[in-house]
This record gives sequence, structure tokens and C-alpha cells, in this order.
Amino acid sequence: KAGVTQTPRYLIKTRGQQVTLSCSPISGHRSVSWYQQTPGQGLQFLFEYFSETQRNKGNFPGRFSGRQFSNSRSEMNVSTLELGDSALYLCASSRLVRETQYFGPGTRLLVL
Amino acid sequence: AQSVTQLDSQVPVFEEAPVELRCNYSSSVSVYLFWYVQYPNQGLQLLLKYLSGSTLVESINGFEAEFNKSQTSFHLRKPSVHISDTAEYFCAVRDFNAGGTSYGKLTFGQGTILTVHP
Repeated sequence: KAGVTQTPRYLIKTRGQQVTLSCSPISGHRSVSWYQQTPGQGLQFLFEYFSETQRNKGNFPGRFSGRQFSNSRSEMNVSTLELGDSALYLCASSRLVRETQYFGPGTRLLVL
Repeated sequence: AQSVTQLDSQVPVFEEAPVELRCNYSSSVSVYLFWYVQYPNQGLQLLLKYLSGSTLVESINGFEAEFNKSQTSFHLRKPSVHISDTAEYFCAVRDFNAGGTSYGKLTFGQGTILTVHP
């Protein structure tokens, strides 16, 4: 079974721009979560979606948003990018909300 | 809110030596516990998990972790490490008793960089 896939793998943007990251979960998985990983803050939870509904949200500003489609694929959007948004963004999927999460390879975003 | 503390940020060790990576979490009635491993420029891979049952859990590549409820710990051990075990290891907790935005959230420790020297 194919793992979690994330596109693009690498991205360079400038301050003020917006970006959309995509995540395709493992087949049959209906829950998708997003995390931000930075050297200073470590791994921080962004949000979790299940059946197209946001179930949980971390402590990030409203510039960070997401959605999930009927096929469980998910997108994350960051508007008005700031230098501090440079990070590795990881997506994880699980069959159900309470089950083990499996991570994708991440999208590395650099904001200049 | 749930918190996870990995007591060592870096652990250097020689090949074939034993290793223990320590993890403590804040108390909760019931939690799910995980260890993930991250190799350079890659995502996180699940190493092992404790959901319920036996407090000693093992991975396929020789790591094991023991859930200790009284000490709120979930330390990771391996009796003999290989060069290929060099990576960053993350302890994580899912708490399904917390309310609000903490419900079910996967909380990570800061990570421990394990470096295995020949």
C-alpha cells in the first residue's frame, strides 16, 4: 500500500505571498493531520481533518488554513507568508481519528 | 495541556553499545504513546507504539520501550546499536481525556539526536 504523499517536496516563496500544500493520505485513511517542524519550535500540531470536517486545531494564526476533500486528500494554505513560516510541513494520515498516524516525507518551505 | 519531555537532546554512543533515550510525559488517565524516528531530510517513521496491554513494546529492528504509568515515562532502549540507527528520535503522546483543542492532539517531545560512532 502506498504511503502518505506530499506535494511539492520543496518550495521557495517570498514574504507576502501565499502557498498551498497538498497531502494524499494512505488509501482507506480518512483522518489527515498537519504539523509544522522548525529547529526552534520542534514539531507543532496545526490541524486535523476527518470526513471533510476540521476536528482539532493548534495554536496558529488564521493565516494558516486547511481543508479536506471527499476523497480524503487535504490541502493546507498559508496566506501572507512571513520569514518565520519557513519550515518542514508534515502531513500524517490515520484510518480513524484515534488510530496511529503515519507521516509523509514533508514539504520544505523556504520564505525569503 | 499534555507535555512531553525528552531528557537528552543529543546522545552519542559507540556502535554495538546499548542505548536508552528517555521520555517523560505529563500525567493523564489514559494516553497513547509513540516513538517516531526521522532520518535526515525525511519525514517521521513510526518506530513503536503503546496503546494498551503489555507495557513492553518492541519494534522490528530491535528497539523496545516500556510504559511506566507511575513514573509517566516511556523510555526507548536498544541493547546494541548500529551505525544505521543514527537519526533523530521523537517521543509523542496522544491524550484522549483532555478537553477542548487538546483532545486527541499528538504532542511531540523536542527530539533526541542519536549519533552512533564506529
